Amino acid sequence: NAGVMQNPRHLVRRRGQEARLRCSPMKGHSHVYWYRQLPEEGLKFMVYLQKENIIDESGMPKERFSAEFPKEGPSILRIQQVVRGDSAAYFCASSPRRGGLGPDTQYFGPGTRLTVL
Amino acid sequence: LAKTTQPISMDSYEGQEVNITCSHNNIATNDYITWYQQFPSQGPRFIIQGYKTKVTNEVASLFIPADRKSSTLSLPRVSLSDTAVYYCLVGESGPNNDMRFGAGTRLTVKP
Repeated sequence: NAGVMQNPRHLVRRRGQEARLRCSPMKGHSHVYWYRQLPEEGLKFMVYLQKENIIDESGMPKERFSAEFPKEGPSILRIQQVVRGDSAAYFCASSPRRGGLGPDTQYFGPGTRLTVL
Repeated sequence: LAKTTQPISMDSYEGQEVNITCSHNNIATNDYITWYQQFPSQGPRFIIQGYKTKVTNEVASLFIPADRKSSTLSLPRVSLSDTAVYYCLVGESGPNNDMRFGAGTRLTVKP
């Protein structure tokens, strides 16, 4: 059973370009989370999605950032008109929504490291 | 969401037991306590989760006192490969199921 997959692993963009980060959840998982991590800092929650629905986007910047999780295909985190401050590691996690007691375990991907020149 | 407080860093030596304590004074009745481990350049990995008393698995133990305002992750006989950042999270099950990561505790295991 493959784990959470993210691509690309490394992405370099110039200021003003668009960055598209992809996340394929584990098989059978219908919940996806995106986090951003700056060097030497903890992960910051960005958005929580289920198939075709955004459940919680309270951590997403109001402008330039968007996320989707279509019925078919991977989840996409899109950053338009990137700036140097967007340089960070972006992690995706998925969970199965098992419905039992306690929060579902989140399984993380290896991350995409975005560098904005 | 309950806020958590952990030490920023800890040092230990190989073979020692390491205990990392997390404070969560405003934990809610439905909240669970979850710990994740993160190695450099990797995504976090689930270690253990508990609600009260003690939970043990093949990797660690989690001790939660009766008032649940704190919890302690215990790593028995650490090795160099346990050098990582450890995050304590508090959250509840439910439709939103989001958790907030703090800065974590950077554990350095020395030979």
